Amino acid sequence: QVQLQESGPGLVKPSETLSLTCSVSGGSLSSNNWWIWIRQPPGRGLEWIGDIYHSEATNYNTSLKNRVTISMDTSKNQFSLSLTSVTAADTAVYYCARDGPYNNFEIGHWGQGILVTVSS
Amino acid sequence: EIVLTQSPGTLSLSPGESATLSCRASQGFSSSHLAWYQQRPGQPPRLLIYGASGRATDIPARFRGSGSGTDFTLTISSLEPEDFAVYYCQKYGSPLLFGQGTRLDIK
Repeated sequence: QVQLQESGPGLVKPSETLSLTCSVSGGSLSSNNWWIWIRQPPGRGLEWIGDIYHSEATNYNTSLKNRVTISMDTSKNQFSLSLTSVTAADTAVYYCARDGPYNNFEIGHWGQGILVTVSS
Repeated sequence: EIVLTQSPGTLSLSPGESATLSCRASQGFSSSHLAWYQQRPGQPPRLLIYGASGRATDIPARFRGSGSGTDFTLTISSLEPEDFAVYYCQKYGSPLLFGQGTRLDIK
């Protein structure tokens, strides 16, 4: 059973870079799956940030594209999110996730989420 | 870009009643790309339905997904107290899209 766990600072200052890591157990980043970041501002809905496949391909939400980078470290079985020039609007619970396990068009595996607050 | 619109925004029902949640897309797409999630407070979303109508493991039979093209529906029959939550539809792809959610409240 794939398990995902987000880690990183819970408080980031405006204009700085938000960096989060997702540690994966029970599965390999080399599998034929997309590894995904999604966020949820307090009291609001879900927003896809982007995803990565085999360290070869990435997709990003166009509304964040100039600020976001998703990368992968297969030796540590971790993937990461970097979001630059953050503002209060980036305050959210950040989830890492993986597609599958049925037809790989759904997201069946989620981390518990980490709340990141942007504030000075 | 496709937009997913869920309705109603809030649905107030009593335990034992049935709920019908709608997800309408601005353009049609393959039903295999449509999923439904339940989210309870303080928890990550939980996959309920994949491929528009497939029930995920351990999801009770009272949850049923249907639809195709631009119109998809999640029906919950005989509501249990634990079903009162927020529900999201999602279209897989790039971009991966979510509806804005339907809140199911206890009446």
